[in-house]
Amino acid sequence: SQQGEEDPQALSIQEGENATMNCSYKTSINNLQWYRQNSGRGLVHLILIRSNEREKHSGRLRVTLDTSKKSSSLLITASRAADTASYFCATDNNNDMRFGAGTRLTVKP
Amino acid sequence: GAVVSQHPSRVICKSGTSVKIECRSLDFQATTMFWYRQFPKKSLMLMATSNEGSKATYEQGVEKDKFLINHASLTLSTLTVTSAHPEDSSFYICSARDWLGRNQETQYFGPGTRLLVL
Repeated sequence: SQQGEEDPQALSIQEGENATMNCSYKTSINNLQWYRQNSGRGLVHLILIRSNEREKHSGRLRVTLDTSKKSSSLLITASRAADTASYFCATDNNNDMRFGAGTRLTVKP
Repeated sequence: GAVVSQHPSRVICKSGTSVKIECRSLDFQATTMFWYRQFPKKSLMLMATSNEGSKATYEQGVEKDKFLINHASLTLSTLTVTSAHPEDSSFYICSARDWLGRNQETQYFGPGTRLLVL
């Protein structure tokens, strides 16, 4: 069964703007991961944040984790048309990984 | 990073036939692999956890006899959709962890197999 819930379900922005996607979950976790999926393709791992971390950066990506609120956010700064994809959060609890419903991001050129 | 391959990338079959999908870890050993199913515009649903040398662990609601999983070696797991029907049409994705590698917590995903049952 799914664990995470992303919002918004769909997000449309202009190139250059920032995109923020949120993920909420219900159980305890070891870590939370964000993935990207282009239409009809496999998953690409973006970033992993452990339960004892609060923020992580990777290039234009910034991920936060609030374990007290059981939520995480993914921020993509200075978005590009090539960032158009679906983004999923996945919670990992002792080798049990569950995915959220995903956010469909469209970046208009 | 670690690489996971899947074969075939897409397959079309007739209703009632069986289809085998292979998942391979190319440069690492994977004692555990995972099989997911994804419907159009939906998230990934974990179907089962494939354990090398033992029986797979299936998620609730997943038919064991319908989706046969065999983890024959440390680098290969197969998913066989038996007596496929149109409702089995979906995108199947496998993943694996490199427990001996630097990024043990990361799951590496295969490119997926698109199955269409006519």
